Amino acid sequence: DAGITQSPRYKITETGRQVTLMCHQTWSHSYMFWYRQDLGHGLRLIYYSAAADITDKGEVPDGYVVSRSKTENFPLTLESATRSQTSVYFCASSNLRETGDGELFFGEGSRLTVL
Amino acid sequence: SQQGEEDPQALSIQEGENATMNCSYKTSINNLQWYRQNSGRGLVHLILIRSNEREKHSGRLRVTLDTSKKSSSLLITASRAADTASYFCATDGRITGRRALTFGSGTRLQVQP
Repeated sequence: DAGITQSPRYKITETGRQVTLMCHQTWSHSYMFWYRQDLGHGLRLIYYSAAADITDKGEVPDGYVVSRSKTENFPLTLESATRSQTSVYFCASSNLRETGDGELFFGEGSRLTVL
Repeated sequence: SQQGEEDPQALSIQEGENATMNCSYKTSINNLQWYRQNSGRGLVHLILIRSNEREKHSGRLRVTLDTSKKSSSLLITASRAADTASYFCATDGRITGRRALTFGSGTRLQVQP
């Protein structure tokens, strides 16, 4: 089906473990994003990517790693999970234009709990 | 830090009433967008207004933008119970240089049937 999908939708892990959240989009959008959503903070940008093999840090990148070897995939890895990384993670994609116009299409989110 | 801040944080109204949410931002923008989020779901784009526009309509939605005051408002007319959701404003990265949107903390709207 066309769209943007995230997996897993729910994940419980322990402190210190590595966790990878997957994101896949079928529109061939050039831009992809990872946000985290926490109560009282709204959505905060973790990393984004303008194209395959091009990634850049957002507002809160520490503790996260991303890669984008293919246009359609943008996985987010927590190399050593901490309790402060308990959050809901949203992936989004967009065909942002030079004018900045372009809406974001969001996945349904991945709810991560770090014990 | 949040570029956009919504006001109020929460709003409860009766069906049929109008709902107004406000957004203030700090730096120059190319455009401002509004998104909706139902509980437990991802965000959905509602409307985009460019910096050279003052007002825009889409169905029951009316968005205004005042760049001199760095503020925007979202009006939902004749609200329905199905409008119950959180609403976020988002601004582009004209100043930060990031080709990404910065979101506010949102307004939670409850429409009582």
